[in-house]
Amino acid sequence: EVQLVETGGGIVQPGGSLRLSCVASGFTIAGRWMHWVRQVPGKGLVWVSRIMSDGTWKDDAAFVKGRFTISRDNAKNILYLQMNSLSVEDTAVYYCAREAPTGGEALDLWGQGTLVTVSS
Amino acid sequence: QSVLTQPPSVSGAPGQRVIISCTGSSSNIGAAYGVHWYHQLPGAAPTLLIHDNTERPSGVPDRFSASKSGTSASLAITGLQSDDEGYYYCHSYDSSLSASIFGGGTKVTVL
Repeated sequence: EVQLVETGGGIVQPGGSLRLSCVASGFTIAGRWMHWVRQVPGKGLVWVSRIMSDGTWKDDAAFVKGRFTISRDNAKNILYLQMNSLSVEDTAVYYCAREAPTGGEALDLWGQGTLVTVSS
Repeated sequence: QSVLTQPPSVSGAPGQRVIISCTGSSSNIGAAYGVHWYHQLPGAAPTLLIHDNTERPSGVPDRFSASKSGTSASLAITGLQSDDEGYYYCHSYDSSLSASIFGGGTKVTVL
């Protein structure tokens, strides 16, 4: 089955760190740009970060620059999001998503999401 | 406040047609970046409905169609069904922000 499964979410104190993983199965991530998108429960979708298929280029939303780092291990078929200096505003469900091969940033496969709660 | 503006909600009776708008600007939709649409049920992940302005992925019924003109895009749902309820999001790229952007989402209710 073609799917993405995120893990690594949980409860962390403000200022803390978490690393999210996104394991792909049924396809290889090596040929695809990959993204992270987050959603505060009950609110809308917010783009977080993206990484080129070979990992040589990446881009982040302004609100995460310097705090979050997207990376990938194509050999293991895993996408990562290292999150540092977390604040309560980072509390959200984090989704990994695969970019469609059409080149327009459409996200054609999403994981089920992992909840990150930042709270003291 | 989202860079792409969508109506908070739309509703229609079964079988009717509803249209969801997505209004942007010259740095995103108006700059010829593609617009994509997603459907999301509460508690579930989004699914791709339309990509690159008008293209339906395989498996998406032709009741769903989309268009783009100038700095706006729209999604039309014809023959509204109860399964169509949920939230719909538009998505594009903004060159001023150098970022991918989503609309605020529209809740569709089938009366």
